[in-house]
Amino acid sequence: AQKVTQAQTEISVVEKEDVTLDCVYETRDTTYYLFWYKQPPSGELVFLIRRNSFDEQNEISGRYSWNFQKSTSSFNFTITASQVVDSAVYFCALSGVSGTYKYIFGTGTRLKVLA
Amino acid sequence: GAVVSQHPSRVICKSGTSVKIECRSLDFQATTMFWYRQFPKQSLMLMATSNEGSKATYEQGVEKDKFLINHASLTLSTLTVTSAHPEDSSFYICSVGDRGYSTNEKLFFGSGTQLSVL
Repeated sequence: AQKVTQAQTEISVVEKEDVTLDCVYETRDTTYYLFWYKQPPSGELVFLIRRNSFDEQNEISGRYSWNFQKSTSSFNFTITASQVVDSAVYFCALSGVSGTYKYIFGTGTRLKVLA
Repeated sequence: GAVVSQHPSRVICKSGTSVKIECRSLDFQATTMFWYRQFPKQSLMLMATSNEGSKATYEQGVEKDKFLINHASLTLSTLTVTSAHPEDSSFYICSVGDRGYSTNEKLFFGSGTQLSVL
């Protein structure tokens, strides 16, 4: 069965601090895709990144970086020098070949960045 | 990237009435759209896949007679919550896959509809 676990329900940091959001997944598929989405208070989910299971290269995009480690089935997300606008709920999601459209979402991590 | 428009953003209705939610793909023609449901402080759960020109595919446990889906055109899918009850109160959000069909490409989401049934 496929499963995504985001153990951190809520995190509060002070602006300019770095913060890492954890994501651990389970799947039997050998080919799968991992995603991170941001859900600001407005409700709309915003795509942040997609990573396939064969690409373990870490990625950096501005203040965002992602650490994908198949050995530990983790796909962690780090925000460097956090800002108040980063406050949102962040979802990690998994999609496998067996159900290509079926995204399994984690329960989300609510990030509060305090000024 | 796709722009997905969802209306209404918020609706309050009386128990027993039906509510229709619209989801439009503005950038391209989408043969497939997806409907998710999100309870407060919980994750998104896929309810059904809306297929243009054919019946929707519902996930296990989702009542198809309760949640009617109509994919009227390549740019419009509607979700109708029939005879709504307070337990149907939730945040409903639609999505479209990149390039309009079901792949592992990223999903674009609408802004969601908060349904409150009194």
